[in-house]
Amino acid sequence: NAGVTQTPKFQVLKTGQSMTLQCAQDMNHNSMYWYRQDPGMGLRLIYYSASEGTTDKGEVPNGYNVSRLNKREFSLRLESAAPSQTSVYFCASRGSGTYEQYFGPGTRLTVT
Amino acid sequence: QKEVEQNSGPLSVPEGAIASLNCTYSDRGSQSFFWYRQYSGKSPELIMFIYSNGDKEDGRFTAQLNKASQYVSLLIRDSQPSDSATYLCASLYSGAGSYQLTFGKGTKLSVIP
Repeated sequence: NAGVTQTPKFQVLKTGQSMTLQCAQDMNHNSMYWYRQDPGMGLRLIYYSASEGTTDKGEVPNGYNVSRLNKREFSLRLESAAPSQTSVYFCASRGSGTYEQYFGPGTRLTVT
Repeated sequence: QKEVEQNSGPLSVPEGAIASLNCTYSDRGSQSFFWYRQYSGKSPELIMFIYSNGDKEDGRFTAQLNKASQYVSLLIRDSQPSDSATYLCASLYSGAGSYQLTFGKGTKLSVIP
């Protein structure tokens, strides 16, 4: 079991470029989450998907879109990157009836 | 606005001592609370969760919850250098089919050999 995987691990974008961060889990979890983590700011929820086919906004959704492609995969898209989106992005998943969220290794994104 | 407050530290303790990490929360509707450990450059991992008033022990770790005071703490006994990390406190909001964690900014712990 790989758990939660994220690609890419590192990315540098120029302002205005677009990109998609990929996340996949092999634990048959229903719920998946995208967070960003900035120095001194803790983890903030961007979007989540309670089950396949559903997505909802979290605390900081502006500038992002998501797609729950299937039960395994949950992608995060930046349509027009801005320097304020420089951050570390974590994907997480959670099984039904459990509390624990399992986190992926993160993607370090820099927007110049 | 659901908020979770933590002292950012750094908190320095000598090896073998008890480290005490504290957290307060604003939403009285929060029912469950989580402590995650995050090593530098790594992803968070769950240490413990607690949902009843009182203490919950797991090995060297004890979580304490006081809902009247809206206060959560994590005690680490016999602290080791390998415990040096940032500790994130989180509260759970569940309702209307959603399940969301609100995280504090984390407390950085340094255990001095």
